[in-house]
Amino acid sequence: EPEVTQTPSHQVTQMGQEVILRCVPISNHLYFYWYRQILGQKVEFLVSFYNNEISEKSEIFDDQFSVERPDGSNFTLKIRSTKLEDSAMYFCASKGQGVVNTEAFFGQGTRLTVV
Amino acid sequence: AQRVTQPEKLLSVFKGAPVELKCNYSYSGSPELFWYVQYSRQRLQLLLRHISRESIKGFTADLNKGETSFHLKKPFAQEEDSAMYYCALKGSSNTGKLIFGQGTTLQVKP
Repeated sequence: EPEVTQTPSHQVTQMGQEVILRCVPISNHLYFYWYRQILGQKVEFLVSFYNNEISEKSEIFDDQFSVERPDGSNFTLKIRSTKLEDSAMYFCASKGQGVVNTEAFFGQGTRLTVV
Repeated sequence: AQRVTQPEKLLSVFKGAPVELKCNYSYSGSPELFWYVQYSRQRLQLLLRHISRESIKGFTADLNKGETSFHLKKPFAQEEDSAMYYCALKGSSNTGKLIFGQGTTLQVKP
């Protein structure tokens, strides 16, 4: 069964450093998402991406964040200058054609620890 | 405002007991609701969605618009049901984003 794959599974970085979290969505999917979950809190939507552009972003997704689909298969989330409060589990998800009645498939997550 | 509330952080039951995981939502219009499950060290996966009215692994959930609820039920819990359960609402923006509840940990004791 096809899966969404995320790398790395765990990333430790120093405050102020840039990080790139990588995702390989399911190959024929067209909608891509990033969510995050701070320890003990709910899963929160960050950004959605369709047709090579951001289709929606939350208030969390400020200028420090960016997304890219550089080569038609990877989908990356970059945090330019990490802060301690960026420590969280980051989930990538993808969805097939059609906005109605299709399931979002999630990756296994990347745990980001900012020290 | 669009919101999902799961009032219980932890629900602990004995094997064979009935289970009800509560979910309430706030949404104007016709909501599209889902239950996702996350077993230990595994990814979030869809358990069921209200539109298909299916039963997966013995779980069912009925949308009650009057009470704005979408509670997840199972008549007889099994130990392998122990997991984190998230209720989610599809946002109104047409991008397909999901709005999650806080999640409920279900612990089924032998």
